[in-house]
Amino acid sequence: SQQGEEDPQALSIQEGENATMNCSYKTSINNLQWYRQNSGRGLVHLILIRSNEREKHSGRLRVTLDTSKKSSSLLITASRAADTASYFCATSGYNFNKFYFGSGTKLNVKP
Amino acid sequence: GAVVSQHPSRVICKSGTSVKIECRSLDFQATTMFWYRQFPKQSLMLMATSNEGSKATYEQGVEKDKFLINHASLTLSTLTVTSAHPEDSSFYICSASGLAGTGELFFGEGSRLTVL
Repeated sequence: SQQGEEDPQALSIQEGENATMNCSYKTSINNLQWYRQNSGRGLVHLILIRSNEREKHSGRLRVTLDTSKKSSSLLITASRAADTASYFCATSGYNFNKFYFGSGTKLNVKP
Repeated sequence: GAVVSQHPSRVICKSGTSVKIECRSLDFQATTMFWYRQFPKQSLMLMATSNEGSKATYEQGVEKDKFLINHASLTLSTLTVTSAHPEDSSFYICSASGLAGTGELFFGEGSRLTVL
């Protein structure tokens, strides 16, 4: 990808389990965002974490950011079958003038 | 709010023809729009950044004469794939920056181009 890698590339879990996805990036950032994409569709914004933040929550989502390691993680708790999708991290610089995406994690939540 | 509409959602064309894809911000003004290309099961590759009233900024390796981008108004950006070839077949997605300072991107639903 243009910005970094995500792991795992694919993750299959049972409904009710937690899902953790990791993202690493290459350059200094202003913020990091997580997006979700259902197959063949556009992307939906999930959560944004700024470079001066270390952790953020939104509903069943928990995002962490470690700027020293240039990495972030997305945790989805109590997963549901409807969470099945691809998840991407995206980073932007200080002017929001470019947004680069990681390689993505394909999550499959089995009912 | 913050809806981005992309049209057409699917297009099939013959090799050698040109195809135009439109991206509109329906309820906000987008001074900056981004065009991405996505191959099957892969991530989004930023092609270019489109600024209203000025020339687009292309990423390294993207042919600006092949992928013409026009951002004539605060609500419309277009991507024209000129003289399309089968290798141009892909999923093209536009996005627009949200309200100033939020950093959030709003995406169109994408356009699947198939070149025969």
